[in-house]
Amino acid sequence: DTEVTQTPKHLVMGMTNKKSLKCEQHMGHRAMYWYKQKAKKPPELMFVYSYEKLSINESVPSRFSPECPNSSLLNLHLHALQPEDSALYLCASRSSGGGTGELFFGEGSRLTVL
Amino acid sequence: RKEVEQDPGPFNVPEGATVAFNCTYSNSASQSFFWYRQDCRKEPKLLMSVYSSGNEDGRFTAQLNRASQYISLLIRDSKLSDSATYLCVVNAISGGYQKVTFGTGTKLQVIP
Repeated sequence: DTEVTQTPKHLVMGMTNKKSLKCEQHMGHRAMYWYKQKAKKPPELMFVYSYEKLSINESVPSRFSPECPNSSLLNLHLHALQPEDSALYLCASRSSGGGTGELFFGEGSRLTVL
Repeated sequence: RKEVEQDPGPFNVPEGATVAFNCTYSNSASQSFFWYRQDCRKEPKLLMSVYSSGNEDGRFTAQLNRASQYISLLIRDSKLSDSATYLCVVNAISGGYQKVTFGTGTKLQVIP
């Protein structure tokens, strides 16, 4: 079982909806990541939070809004998405933002935008 | 040039074969390296870290060549269960923070 928990596992939303993806880890990790993965492609980095501060934003459109309420939680707020935003959204954590350790991934939230 | 590149494959090999994958990276300041495995519609899972001296875990051997900026993964005695996509992952400093970048992935299909 993964130690990074993502909810919901599946989400279908219309282009005018507002929804959120949630990610939680209790490993004491201080760096958390959002990745987007389309079919047959590798994960693409979206955001990195290090010690609860946004450290990397890979030029992601503003319709995606990340939030890190505390060191265990990471949210991704979704608003006015497009059908091409349909993908698997993966959350990951790592022990520290300055560390070189492995990433631990959640099982992902599969998003479909109609 | 992509930051991390792999041959996408697919590599179709018979059971018992030995197969090798390479991955090249462009940032000479990259600090740590990993191989992940991803099964269809699942999340990536760590297969092994890659150390400068090379490391082995059972049938899997990983090598790092910093001078040529590539890492490799060797799988011996392939099993059907090895069928998956293998992702090369590189850590590098970006704007003062550690940035993790995935390669394009190499698909392996082991055939009975």
